[in-house]
Formats: sequence, C-alpha cells, structure tokens
Amino acid sequence: EVQLVESGGGLVKPGGSLRLSCEASRFTFSDAWMSWVRQAPGKGLEWVGRIRSKTDGGTTEYAAPVKGRFSISRDDSKNTLYLQMNSLKTEDTGVYYCITAGGGRWGQGTLVTVSS
Amino acid sequence: DVVMTQSPLSLPVTLGQPASISCRSSQSLVSSDGNTYLNWFQQRPGQSPRRLIYKVSNRDSGVPDRFSGSGSGTDFTLKISRVEAEDVGVYYCMQGTHSSTFGQGTKLEIK
Repeated sequence: EVQLVESGGGLVKPGGSLRLSCEASRFTFSDAWMSWVRQAPGKGLEWVGRIRSKTDGGTTEYAAPVKGRFSISRDDSKNTLYLQMNSLKTEDTGVYYCITAGGGRWGQGTLVTVSS
Repeated sequence: DVVMTQSPLSLPVTLGQPASISCRSSQSLVSSDGNTYLNWFQQRPGQSPRRLIYKVSNRDSGVPDRFSGSGSGTDFTLKISRVEAEDVGVYYCMQGTHSSTFGQGTKLEIK
C-alpha cells in the first residue's frame, strides 16, 4: 500500500523557518503530483499548495495565505517531497499532511507549532 | 480563487437513516480535459482524512456502497443511504480543477 511519512515538525518562534519532509514509498513518486494540506487545531482542512511531476513541468501553486512564504520542492531520486516554510506566523500552527494531489493517500501528519 | 460551500455544517442523523451533504463551488469545476475534479473525504475523530469519492461519483477501493456521489458543474452531493455508527466524523468536499480548495466541513453525528 502507498505510504507517506511526514517529518520535521516542531516548535518555532514567529518569524522563524522550518522545513518539512515527506518520504513516499510503494508507488511511482516521480509520476505523481503532490500536495500539502494543513489543519489548524479544531479547524477544517486547508490546501497549502501542490507540485506537478517533472514530466508535467514540475511547477508549483500555492494558497494565498502562504504564497511568497512557503515553497514546495521534490527530490525524485529520494522519493521525497519538501515544504520550506519561512516567515512563520502563529496562524500557521497546525498539523501538516502530505498527500497525493487527488487526495487518494494521506500521511499521518506532522505538527507545527508557531509560538513565542 | 474558487470557494467551496458545504451545507449543512452540522448533520445529526438517526442510525439507519439516510444523510445528504451539499457542496457548491463558486465556478464550474469542469476541467479543460473534460473531467470534473470534485472529491469527498471523511475524517473520523483522531484520524487522518481518507478519500471516499473521486471525480464526482467514483468510490474509492474499500468504501462501502452506501456512500455515493453525484452532481455536475457547480453543484455536488454526497449521500449515505443508511448511516452507521462508524460514519461519525467530518466530511469535506475538495475541488482540484482550479488549484485546490476544501469546503468548510460537515460534522455528522448520531442523534
């Protein structure tokens, strides 16, 4: 079965940076469009952004609240997806999920807490 | 940006009774490739979400056939023919045609 394992979450101060990783296995990662989705405590799901496969251009798209601060990248040789988060705000706190872009598979999530 | 509006936001249902959730988009979800990228997800308490339905009406593997999806253009519906206790949770629609957006979520509980 497809597996997605996120890591890199933790506590960071406002204005700080953090990089999340998502290791994929049991599917052809290089062919997949991938997304990040987050969920603030007690709130709903929020799409963060996505990256196309290199075959489809490897381009990225972002939700308005994170555009210019977050960056998604991928290393197909390592089957790994990344989310670089800069200029973090308290409202970025939540569980971050790595998903296949259609949402067919989800990781277990990693918690990011932005607090002073 | 495409806005996804779900209703109701809270859905108390008696066991064995049907349930229906509406999801409306602010613009058509028909893609240039002819597909409509509207998916439905279930999030049980304390768990990661899982997809139930993709491209409007296709059930994912392992999803009970009491779940069904329908709709077109801007109006979509998730139906549960007979609610069971394990269906308690929050249901989300998500569009993937114009980047991606989730609906606000509908909390299903047992009366």
